Amino acid sequence: AQSVTQLGSHVSVSEGALVLLRCNYSSSVPPYLFWYVQYPNQGLQLLLKYTSAATLVKGINGFEAEFKKSETSFHLTKPSAHMSDAAEYFCAVSDHPVGQFYFGTGTSLTVIP
Amino acid sequence: DSGVTQTPKHLITATGQRVTLRCSPRSGDLSVYWYQQSLDQGLQFLIHYYNGEERAKGNILERFSAQQFPDLHSELNLSSLELGDSALYFCASSPRLNIDTQYFGPGTRLTVL
Repeated sequence: AQSVTQLGSHVSVSEGALVLLRCNYSSSVPPYLFWYVQYPNQGLQLLLKYTSAATLVKGINGFEAEFKKSETSFHLTKPSAHMSDAAEYFCAVSDHPVGQFYFGTGTSLTVIP
Repeated sequence: DSGVTQTPKHLITATGQRVTLRCSPRSGDLSVYWYQQSLDQGLQFLIHYYNGEERAKGNILERFSAQQFPDLHSELNLSSLELGDSALYFCASSPRLNIDTQYFGPGTRLTVL
């Protein structure tokens, strides 16, 4: 069965510092991987997705993620944190183009001025 | 604004009752997904409909059911409500059958007293 693990339910970074949010997955087949962001009192918004093309995926708002098959990871990074990046971030995975979709437990990002 | 609408925004009801949540997908989107977000369970995939047909089922209780109508809007019916059903219910839409970017609605917050 699929599973997604997000290490660190809370991450704090200083404004301008590197953001690194970790996501590991388990899958017996090449997965479909996504990062979503949820701002307070809002629905989720797609940041980026991996669907077996380039392993380094660029998303919106300066975020990117690298698919590492050997490490079964899809960590999300941003070189320089901005105050507006404070939100909840979810990694999600599916191992089938039509099927169940699994979300991680989320990581709350705080940006310190 | 994702283009996905959900009604009502808030719903307060009592245990044992039945409620219906409504979702209107983005114009042209044929897929509708339903999710439940709660503090203890996180974000859980419930069910996926494509062009009126059920295509994938997740951790959806037997007391819950859904359908997608010919005009592509979808309804999630929750019956014999329990305190533990209190959660935020999201729907998301997508243009295609295969997993791809999902556009999330703002959610319906259900409180069961």
